[in-house]
Amino acid sequence: GAVVSQHPSRVICKSGTSVKIECRSLDFQATTMFWYRQFPKQSLMLMATSNEGSKATYEQGVEKDKFLINHASLTLSTLTVTSAHPEDSSFYICSARGDFSGETGELFFGEGSRLTVL
Amino acid sequence: GQNIDQPTEMTATEGAIVQINCTYQTSGFNGLFWYQQHAGEAPTFLSYNVLDGLEEKGRFSSFLSRSKGYSYLLLKELQMKDSASYLCAVKDSNYQLIWGAGTKLIIKP
Repeated sequence: GAVVSQHPSRVICKSGTSVKIECRSLDFQATTMFWYRQFPKQSLMLMATSNEGSKATYEQGVEKDKFLINHASLTLSTLTVTSAHPEDSSFYICSARGDFSGETGELFFGEGSRLTVL
Repeated sequence: GQNIDQPTEMTATEGAIVQINCTYQTSGFNGLFWYQQHAGEAPTFLSYNVLDGLEEKGRFSSFLSRSKGYSYLLLKELQMKDSASYLCAVKDSNYQLIWGAGTKLIIKP
């Protein structure tokens, strides 16, 4: 159980276009979803935290108008990279925490989406 | 500031044992996680420690000393498939996860 699916796994787009990445919890209700960005050989960088039905909380330095996050239901969150530029090329990973995560607060990760902006 | 330190890279031989260390300085402590991440894939959960001591789970064990701000992940009977990055993450006083940069483990035959 506790499967998180992320789509698309790879996307290549032209500079200036927008890209939407979906994150779904398949067999549980995700009370909180997290979006991370990871550059090669670097650690996970938390971009934002979203709770269903409320606005996402963005980390310092992350532009909320550029990285639009929508958490419309307990099983779906989307990240839209607007007006993408080559420097936005990265590995984007979502993770979810369910109400059963309990004391550990274990996170379940999606497969990740590799974005390449030409 | 908050900081998680772990070695950048380690090399070990198939069948051997390897210990990956993690030291942390965080504002508060509410648990420590170890995750495994294969190249190009998302992290997968390995272990969670909140109390001092050793947690054993099959070939993998994780140790925590809160007074020393120290943890290690011990991998026994190494297999080629264990080649991956191992991420240490600490939950701080605000229950935010602070991530280490990861240790790339290379297994040689």
